[in-house]
Amino acid sequence: RKEVEQDPGPFNVPEGATVAFNCTYSNSASQSFFWYRQDCRKEPKLLMSVYSSGNEDGRFTAQLNRASQYISLLIRDSKLSDSATYLCVVRNAGGTSYGKLTFGQGTILTVHP
Amino acid sequence: GAGVSQSPRYKVAKRGQDVALRCDPISGHVSLFWYQQALGQGPEFLTYFQNEAQLDKSGLPSDRFFAERPEGSVSTLKIQRTQQEDSAVYLCASSLASQVKYEQYFGPGTRLTVT
Repeated sequence: RKEVEQDPGPFNVPEGATVAFNCTYSNSASQSFFWYRQDCRKEPKLLMSVYSSGNEDGRFTAQLNRASQYISLLIRDSKLSDSATYLCVVRNAGGTSYGKLTFGQGTILTVHP
Repeated sequence: GAGVSQSPRYKVAKRGQDVALRCDPISGHVSLFWYQQALGQGPEFLTYFQNEAQLDKSGLPSDRFFAERPEGSVSTLKIQRTQQEDSAVYLCASSLASQVKYEQYFGPGTRLTVT
């Protein structure tokens, strides 16, 4: 079983739609959680960190449920420019992990006019 | 300021050739990571450097893969006797330090195709 699992999609939504992505992780020692965005043939870029209390950045809301080991990302009022692959990422601190990132497979989002 | 740079951006190698991929991290960044991203997958950790010390190489898939960072800045990932399964994008990332609060910044990657 992969350490971080995501539905690969693809998700095809019209502009203005609300779309939600989910992710589960298996290592209960995971300490930090992120969503990264990766455009086609580009490098991953940090979209937002995810906190247990939930956090919002404009149209994007991220949520973490430690008990269920579940992370979510909600995008409201989708724009054409939101089309990308969204990567769920966990980071383990301490021990020999040295903060390496563990990525999910990624969820492909296409927003159409 | 300048971000992480990698060269070459694209590399085509015949099976059995050796390749060397270069990463120039952000100046002053202590931590440097290499990741491998196969088509349709998320990046997977290969190895980690703190300054010039390679502290974790648990992700290197075989002994054909070797990485170094001799002066604690530029790093090179070398793959000997390349195989078709080595075809992937190789991403380098650097951060100010290894603590969680420091973001990892990724370079544009080197796309390796082994024919």
